Amino acid sequence: TQLLEQSPQFLSIQEGENLTVYCNSSSVFSSLQWYRQEPGEGPVLLVTVVTGGEVKKLKRLTFQFGDARKDSSLHITAAQPGDTGLYLCATRSMNRDDKIIFGKGTRLHILP
Amino acid sequence: NAGVTQTPKFRILKIGQSMTLQCAQDMNHNYMYWYRQDPGMGLKLIYYSVGAGITDKGEVPNGYNVSRSTTEDFPLRLELAAPSQTSVYFCASTYTPTGGGNIQYFGAGTRLSVL
Repeated sequence: TQLLEQSPQFLSIQEGENLTVYCNSSSVFSSLQWYRQEPGEGPVLLVTVVTGGEVKKLKRLTFQFGDARKDSSLHITAAQPGDTGLYLCATRSMNRDDKIIFGKGTRLHILP
Repeated sequence: NAGVTQTPKFRILKIGQSMTLQCAQDMNHNYMYWYRQDPGMGLKLIYYSVGAGITDKGEVPNGYNVSRSTTEDFPLRLELAAPSQTSVYFCASTYTPTGGGNIQYFGAGTRLSVL
């Protein structure tokens, strides 16, 4: 069974600091999605990475897909209180059963 | 486009009662999913469907049932509510773009308390 391990589980930092969160698997990803979930809302897609080594930027957020497509990172530059939320990575199951697998998430809190 | 619409937004049930959580999407997506999210936790897959008339169990299906008679609707049924089913329930539909990846669109959730 493919598992997605996210780290750290929790992160609380001051506004203006930089941070990186990670998503890892023992299996190769076909593709990987990053979502952000704000309190009281459903998850919202941030980005999809498909190609090994791919880097995508979304304003202050930089997403990287590992060369071997087994890991991904999300780096936030100059974090702001609006970045607070639960960050989830997800991929399609490699078992050909059409399930979407989510990691347990990194809960990020940015202190003003 | 409304996207994925879930109703009701909130519900309180007594132990043993039943209810149906509604989910509708207007994007003509074949794939739909039901998740539950317990406080401070990630998402657990309850049931999913790859098209009208086809459903399959996820990680935590016990105590729930689903049906998919149309592409648009994917209701989740709780027959005998138990306190362990207190959670936030999210419905999602999935789109696979030509370039790859699996984009899930989520509803706003149904917050259910069983007392």
